[in-house]
Parts: sequence; C-alpha cells; structure tokens
Amino acid sequence: GAVVSQHPSRVICKSGTSVKIECRSLDFQATTMFWYRQFPKQSLMLMATSNEGSKATYEQGVEKDKFLINHASLTLSTLTVTSAHPEDSSFYICSARGRGGWVEKLFFGSGTQLSVL
Amino acid sequence: EDKVVQSPLSLVVHEGDTVTLNCSYEVTNFRSLLWYKQEKKAPTFLFMLTSSGIEKKSGRLSSILDKKELFSILNITATQTGDSAIYLCAVSNFGNEKLTFGTGTRLTIIP
Repeated sequence: GAVVSQHPSRVICKSGTSVKIECRSLDFQATTMFWYRQFPKQSLMLMATSNEGSKATYEQGVEKDKFLINHASLTLSTLTVTSAHPEDSSFYICSARGRGGWVEKLFFGSGTQLSVL
Repeated sequence: EDKVVQSPLSLVVHEGDTVTLNCSYEVTNFRSLLWYKQEKKAPTFLFMLTSSGIEKKSGRLSSILDKKELFSILNITATQTGDSAIYLCAVSNFGNEKLTFGTGTRLTIIP
C-alpha cells in the first residue's frame, strides 16, 4: 500500500522556537495534503488542506501565520509551527491523497508529538 | 456545521467480551462513513460504509450504517488485549474535500 513518511516522530523544543514537520509520500504523488492536530483524549481536528503548488486553506480558528504550510512538490509537504508555545504541544498528523483519489482514500503519516517547554 | 458524535467516550471490558461502539452524525450531502483504529500513532483504516443496512465484516470486527437514523455501529466480538485502542469514526460529504472526525471511543481490554 501507499506510504506516507512523517518526521520527526517526536520533538521537544523551548518556547519561542520554530519547529518544522515534514510529510513525504514515498510511492505516489500526493496532490492534496491534510494536516490534523490531536490533543490528548480528543479526536483529530483538521487544521488545513493544501494542494500542490497552491496556498493552503486553513480551518476556522487556525492561525495561518503561526502554522505555515508548504506543499511545493507532489511528494513533500511541511508544517512549520512558528514561535511555538506550550499550548501548541500536541500530536500533529498529516494525511495525503493521490491524484484523482477520493478523500476517503487517505494515507496517514505516523504523526509527530510536539512538546513545547 | 458537520458534526460527528461517538459514544461511549471510553469503555473498559474483559477479554472475550463483545463491544458495540456508536457513531452518530449530522452532515450535509453525506457520502461515506469511515471507521479507524488508532494505537498511539496514525489511524489505520477499518471500514468504509456508503449504503444502509449492508454489514461490512473483517474477522471479529463488523460495522453497519443506518442512513435514515444517521448512525453507525462498530462491533467487536471475542475481544483481545490487542483491540485496546481509540476507535475513530469519520464522515465525508460530496463537494467537500475533507473528513470530519468524531471524538473517538477509547477501548481498553483487560486480560
């Protein structure tokens, strides 16, 4: 099956620093990437949707200047948490959809646990 | 706004028991309902349901959708400790390129 690689799996950083999370599709072209955030004991909340070569579409309440999403190629999307604060500590997961694929046919990355001290 | 509600939020049973997890939804232009199993990391796909009344089955797991009453159930029979996980329900709709996830049910199987 299709594979989505997400790195790093875990990151601990000081408050005020920026953190970049990468999501790569290894054996298919990911035309659309979805970025989710999951707080402890809560469900996946969609943060933004990005299509290759276009600006990301952010969900209501998600700050686009704080969560920078780049989807410059068909195999790579990045999420940068700028000036991270303790309240940004969460589990971040990407998922990818290939060309012409239904939204149900998503392939998830393994997630990144971000802890901001 | 699309909404997906799962119940119970958490469930603790003994190995060998049968469990039923519930998912109700309110979405416009419903297309499909999906079940995922999440064990600490990325969700893994279990079932996709689009038609009412047709049971999907995979080993000890089965699921069914009721599009009239707007809910789905996920059954797990003869539970094992490896079934311990968070079970997520999600829905998609036509014209919207995203999934809306429910709150999840945390299932714990006691040996």
